[in-house]
Amino acid sequence: AQSVTQPDIHITVSEGASLELRCNYSYGATPYLFWYVQSPGQGLQLLLKYFSGDTLVQGIKGFEAEFKRSQSSFNLRKPSVHWSDAAEYFCAALNRDDKIIFGKGTRLHILP
Amino acid sequence: DAGVIQSPRHEVTEMGQEVTLRCKPISGHDYLFWYRQTMMRGLELLIYFNNNVPIDDSGMPEDRFSAKMPNASFSTLKIQPSEPRDSAVYFCASSGRGRIGRSYEQYFGPGTRLTVT
Repeated sequence: AQSVTQPDIHITVSEGASLELRCNYSYGATPYLFWYVQSPGQGLQLLLKYFSGDTLVQGIKGFEAEFKRSQSSFNLRKPSVHWSDAAEYFCAALNRDDKIIFGKGTRLHILP
Repeated sequence: DAGVIQSPRHEVTEMGQEVTLRCKPISGHDYLFWYRQTMMRGLELLIYFNNNVPIDDSGMPEDRFSAKMPNASFSTLKIQPSEPRDSAVYFCASSGRGRIGRSYEQYFGPGTRLTVT
């Protein structure tokens, strides 16, 4: 079955440190891939998306993600995190039925 | 634009009562989605509409759940009768068209936190 896997349930980093959140997908063809962020008590907000072309995509709030077909991965990165980045992050992919499938999410904690 | 609007933001009800959740999508968007989020199951797609027509309701958990979209600017998700295991946050999202066709970017509302006691 098509799936999106986020192996890390929680990640803790210090403010100012770099960040990488992992995401793996299981699809045959090149999928449409997304990263969303959810702050406490709010809905999900799209950070960035990949449909085709350049495998390194830039998003809002200083985030970027790299699509690696050989590893079936779409990891999210940020060179220096801010306390306001503490939130839950969801990787998602469009499946063959034209529905977006979300991963279980990774909760990011920031140490001062 | 005001974004996707959901009401109420919080709902507390007793088991067996009917619950109606409301959603106003972003003007001009022709896709509308209802999701449920719980700690155990994560974010689940319940149903989605295109041009007010239900396209896929395979995620609706039981016959107690129903959804309607009488026009392009309003949708409801109803649970009748409600049960404690329905307690969750329910999100509505909408998406529209990009320059070359369907845009798959979904815009989420703030959610309705439902508690059934």
